[in-house]
Amino acid sequence: DTAVSQTPKYLVTQMGNDKSIKCEQNLGHDTMYWYKQDSKKFLKIMFSYNNKELIINETVPNRFSPKSPDKAHLNLHINSLELGDSAVYFCASSPASGGSLEQFFGPGTRLTVL
Amino acid sequence: AQSVSQHNHHVILSEAASLELGCNYSYGGTVNLFWYVQYPGQHLQLLLKYFSGDPLVKGIKGFEAEFIKSKFSFNLRKPSVQWSDTAEYFCAVKWDYKLSFGAGTTVTVRA
Repeated sequence: DTAVSQTPKYLVTQMGNDKSIKCEQNLGHDTMYWYKQDSKKFLKIMFSYNNKELIINETVPNRFSPKSPDKAHLNLHINSLELGDSAVYFCASSPASGGSLEQFFGPGTRLTVL
Repeated sequence: AQSVSQHNHHVILSEAASLELGCNYSYGGTVNLFWYVQYPGQHLQLLLKYFSGDPLVKGIKGFEAEFIKSKFSFNLRKPSVQWSDTAEYFCAVKWDYKLSFGAGTTVTVRA
């Protein structure tokens, strides 16, 4: 009964490659997010979509492109991968974008760029 | 810019000791406050949250936190920790649509 799922769990790839990480939530939530957790465990928001519409786009290189085919899915595509992209990427969802609503996190995707 | 500060980077304590983790934020407007926990190799889970009402909030696993508006603080406490509380703890503050996290505190509980 996974609420927020991500695939793959681990991703090892070479510099310069293009890769995608998929996220799906079965909670019926309207809002989804991507976070990056670096090697020092610092978590930073990257993107947020509400009902397939982009509402948060932090200062992220344009090599990163989120895509939301429907409100249950938010995929992250990364072009021309760089060493500094190595991190754990977490997807999350919440019922809506505002207020006190809790975000539910996925298990994370550990990306290693060689 | 809004920011979230967690005072302790790494806390090491023995089982049955009391735990308090500090969290301060910089924004003066209406905020919603959260503490999340990340057990080794796992995803983030919500421990507790505050959005209004009683500033002393009780969460899961015996954790509680107190919101002190005048100090812009939301400190996490547990009276008696267990080995299973070993984890990374993140304070998070939500304003507008964004959830901003502190840098995290690694808590190691020794048996």
